[in-house]
Formats: sequence, structure tokens, C-alpha cells
Amino acid sequence: QVQLQESGPGLVKPSETLSLSCTVSGGSSSGYYWSWIRQPPGKTLEWIGYISNTGYTNYNPSLKSRATISVDTSKNHISLKLTSVTAADTAVYYCVRGERMGGDRWGQGTLVTVSS
Amino acid sequence: DVVMTQSPLSLPVTLGQPASISCRPSQSPVYSDGNTYLNWFQQRPGQSPRRLIYKVSTRASGVPDRFSGSGSGTDFTLTISRVEAEDVGVYYCMQGTHWPWTFGQGTRVEIK
Repeated sequence: QVQLQESGPGLVKPSETLSLSCTVSGGSSSGYYWSWIRQPPGKTLEWIGYISNTGYTNYNPSLKSRATISVDTSKNHISLKLTSVTAADTAVYYCVRGERMGGDRWGQGTLVTVSS
Repeated sequence: DVVMTQSPLSLPVTLGQPASISCRPSQSPVYSDGNTYLNWFQQRPGQSPRRLIYKVSTRASGVPDRFSGSGSGTDFTLTISRVEAEDVGVYYCMQGTHWPWTFGQGTRVEIK
């Protein structure tokens, strides 16, 4: 059974870069689309972006080019970097296997708070 | 962005009774490949979202058959035929056709 586990700092200062990693266990990271989705406290979900099985990436325009998603298939890791964070980036961040059909595997999520 | 409007936002239900949630996208979610990428998710308290239905009516692996999806155009519905206690949570519709893919505001299902 494939499992996804997000990891990273729970607290990031405004204007700094948020860096998260997602470890895939029980399966391979190659051959799939991988997405990052976030959920601010008490709010709905927002698709941050995805990376295809060929390395093509697509990001939500609302993030104004601040996001970067990459995959290291040798380590079975998917990474997210979000630059110049503000309080509006405070959310639970989910790593998801999949794309337009919504994703069949979700990580448990990691809460990132942006605060000085 | 495509706005996904769900109703109701809160749904008190009686155990064993049916329940329905409506989702109305601001644009048709029919993709150029002919598929309609309208999906439904369940988020139980304190858990990650779980995909229930994809492409309008296909149940995801392991999802009980009391969950069903239907609809076309800009009018879609998630139906629970007989609500069980484990169905408590927030339900989201999502469109995967127009980038950025977007979710509805969520419908909170609770037991009366």
C-alpha cells in the first residue's frame, strides 16, 4: 500500500522560503503525476500545482510564480518550495498522487504557520 | 477560475436516511478528451481528504456503494443512499478540467 508522508518546518518567517518534502513508501514515485494541495485553517482546498511523469510542471497563477515542485525518483521524494511567504500561506499542505481526477493517494498533511 | 458552488453548506441527516449534496460549476467541466472531470471528496474530522467519486460517477477503490455521483452540464449531485455514523465530515466537489483545478466550499454532514 503506497503511503505519502510530508515533512518540513512547521513555522516559517514572513518573506522566507517554505520547503516541504514528501516521501513515498510502498511504491515508486516514477510514472505518476504528483501534486501539492493546501488547506488554510477552516477553509477549502487549493491546488498549488503538479508535476507530470515527464517532468512538466504547472502552477496555480494565484501563487504568482512563487512555487516550485520537483521529484527525485532515486529517493522517492517530491518537493515543494514556496518563496516570499506571508501569513496568507499558513495552511495544511498535502502531497497527492494524481492530477485532474483528484488523486488516489493523499498524505496526512503538514501544518505550516507563517509568523515572525 | 471556475467557481464550484455547493449546497447546502450544512446538512443534518438522520442515520439510515438518504442525503444529497449539489455542486454547480460556473463553467461546464467537460474536457477536450470528452471526459467530465468532476470529482467528490470526503474529509472526516482530523483526516486528509479521501477521493470518493471521479469523472462524475465512478466510485474510487474501496468506497461503499451507498455513495453515488450523477449529473451533467453544470449540475452535479453526490448521494448517500443510507447515511451511517462514519459518513460524518465535510464533502467537497472538485473540477479537474479548467486550470487551476478548483474545489467547492464544502458541505458539512452531521447526524441529527
